[in-house]
Order: sequence, then structure tokens, then C-alpha cells
Amino acid sequence: EDKVVQSPLSLVVHEGDTVTLNCSYEVTNFRSLLWYKQEKKAPTFLFMLTSSGIEKKSGRLSSILDKKELFSILNITATQTGDSAVYLCAARTGPYNYGQNFVFGPGTRLSVLP
Amino acid sequence: DAGVIQSPRHEVTEMGQEVTLRCKPISGHDYLFWYRQTMMRGLELLIYFNNNVPIDDSGMPEDRFSAKMPNASFSTLKIQPSEPRDSAVYFCASSPGQGRIEKLFFGSGTQLSVL
Repeated sequence: EDKVVQSPLSLVVHEGDTVTLNCSYEVTNFRSLLWYKQEKKAPTFLFMLTSSGIEKKSGRLSSILDKKELFSILNITATQTGDSAVYLCAARTGPYNYGQNFVFGPGTRLSVLP
Repeated sequence: DAGVIQSPRHEVTEMGQEVTLRCKPISGHDYLFWYRQTMMRGLELLIYFNNNVPIDDSGMPEDRFSAKMPNASFSTLKIQPSEPRDSAVYFCASSPGQGRIEKLFFGSGTQLSVL
């Protein structure tokens, strides 16, 4: 059974701290790893990673994938209260020429205190 | 583009009633997904369609749940009869598909409460 695990499940930090969120996966026909941020409503897309070792960066957020060890990390530097959210990791799977699925982890709930 | 559109935003109903959730995917997207989100189980895939054809419905909890996609711009998820344990946020999402930017675009969700 395809599985995505995230840690920690919950994290409380103060503004200015740096955080690292972890995601590991065990899926068949892995194609890519995606990170989403969910505040009050729908998850919004952050990153999609397909190749090992290539860091994706957007402002204070960055992410990297290790396809050999089957994990990804999401880093947030100089955290702000607006970073408070649930961060979801998803593995996209499926045979290349037929079908696709997105298997989500349970999420990490990040709370940034002022 | 308007994004993925779901309706209603909120639905409160009584146990035993029929509930129909609606979704309009982003135009040109080949895939449509229905997810359910609860605190206990997180985001669970219920069913997904490729070019209007159901591909994997193994996540549909039981026969009370059914989903249809009569055309490329509309899908429904129906629960009949509804039960309190069905209370959750139901998300519809679409994806462009093979060879294009393959990520999920989510609708705003339907908050379902079954009393």
C-alpha cells in the first residue's frame, strides 16, 4: 500500500526561527513529490520535485528531494506568523502512460508565535 | 481562469438525507479527483477520473457514496443516505495530466455536517 509519512506532526516556533519539515514515502511508480500549504481552506501549491539533489527555492522556503533514500525536506527560514499553516506532502504515482494518483501525508501543523 | 469551483461551500443536513456535492474542474484538465479531509484521517482520495472515466474508486467508503462525471466540465459526488460519520471537508481537485505540469489544483471545498 502506498504511504507518505510526515514529521513532526506538530511544531511550535517563534518568529525568526528556522524550521525543517520532513516527508518520507513508500509508493509504487513514484513520479514526483509535491508540497502544499493549507491555511483555512484549500491546499495551495508550493513545490514539485522530480529530481534528486536539486533544491527548489521560493523566498524563504526551499525544498529538496532524495530519491535514493525516499524522502524530502521543506525548510522555512526566518519564520513569520503568516507561515502558520498545515504543510502537506504528496507523492504523485502511476504508470507513465496510464493514470496518476496523489498520495498525501498527514501534514505538519506549524504554529509561529510572535 | 476561475480555478476549480465547488458548490455548495457549506452543507448541513440530517442523517438519512441525500447530499450532492458539485465540482467544475479547470478547463482543459484531464484529471479530476475527489478527496475527503478529516482531522483523524487527513486527506483521503475517494475517486479520480481521467477524461471523464472513473479510474480508481477504491477509496469510496461504501455503496452509499457514488460519483459521476457526465462531461469534462462537471462532476458530482453523492452520498445517500448520509450519516454523521460522513461529516468532513470534501475537496475536488483537477490536474492537467500527462506530459504537462502535473500538479493538483484544489477547489475551496465543501464543509459537510451531518446531524
